[in-house]
Amino acid sequence: GAVVSQHPSWVICKSGTSVKIECRSLDFQATTMFWYRQFPKQSLMLMATSNEGSKATYEQGVEKDKFLINHASLTLSTLTVTSAHPEDSSFYICSASFQDINSPLHFGNGTRLTVT
Amino acid sequence: QKEVEQNSGPLSVPEGAIASLNCTYSDRGSQSFFWYRQYSGKSPELIMFIYSNGDKEDGRFTAQLNKASQYVSLLIRDSQPSDSATYLCAVGRGGKLIFGQGTELSVKP
Repeated sequence: GAVVSQHPSWVICKSGTSVKIECRSLDFQATTMFWYRQFPKQSLMLMATSNEGSKATYEQGVEKDKFLINHASLTLSTLTVTSAHPEDSSFYICSASFQDINSPLHFGNGTRLTVT
Repeated sequence: QKEVEQNSGPLSVPEGAIASLNCTYSDRGSQSFFWYRQYSGKSPELIMFIYSNGDKEDGRFTAQLNKASQYVSLLIRDSQPSDSATYLCAVGRGGKLIFGQGTELSVKP
C-alpha cells in the first residue's frame, strides 16, 4: 500500500539553529502534503498545506517565515524550522493523500523535535 | 465551539466488551469522516473512513455516520488490550482534514 516516509524520526538541536524535516511519498505521487504538529496530550494541529510547485498555505497563527515549507517534487515536501526555540519542541507529522482530501490521509512516522 | 469534538476520556472497558467512541462536528458541509488510532509516541494510523449515512463494518470495527445529527461514532467489538490507544476523529473540510482532540481508550484484561 501507499507509504509516507518521514526523516529524521527524532532530532535534538540547540536553540537558534534550524532543522529540516523531509517527507516522501514512496509509491505514489502526492500533489498535496500536509504538515501537522502535536504537543503532548493534544490533538494534531494542521500547520500548513504543501502544494507541489506552489507556495504552501499556512493555517492562522502559524508563522510562514519560521516554518519554511518546500514541495519541490510530487514525492518530496520539506519543513524547515528556522531559529528553533524550546517552545518549538513538538511532534511534527507529515501526511499525504493518495487522491484527494476525501481520500484517507497516510501519515509519516513523525519527527520528535527537541530544542535545548 | 470546536469544529470536531470528542470526549477526551479516558474510556475504560473490560476485555471483550464493546467500546463506543463518539464524535460531533460543526460544519454541515463536511463530506468525509475518518477514524485514526494513535499509540503513544507514534503517528496516527487509519482505522476506517465513512462518507455516507449509516453503518460501515470492517472486522471488529463499525463506523456510524448521521449527517443530520452531525455525529459519527466508532464501535469496537470484542475489545482487546492491544486496542488501548487514543482514537482520533477527523473530518474533511475545504480540502483539509480537521482532527478532534482524541479519546483515550483503555481496555482492561
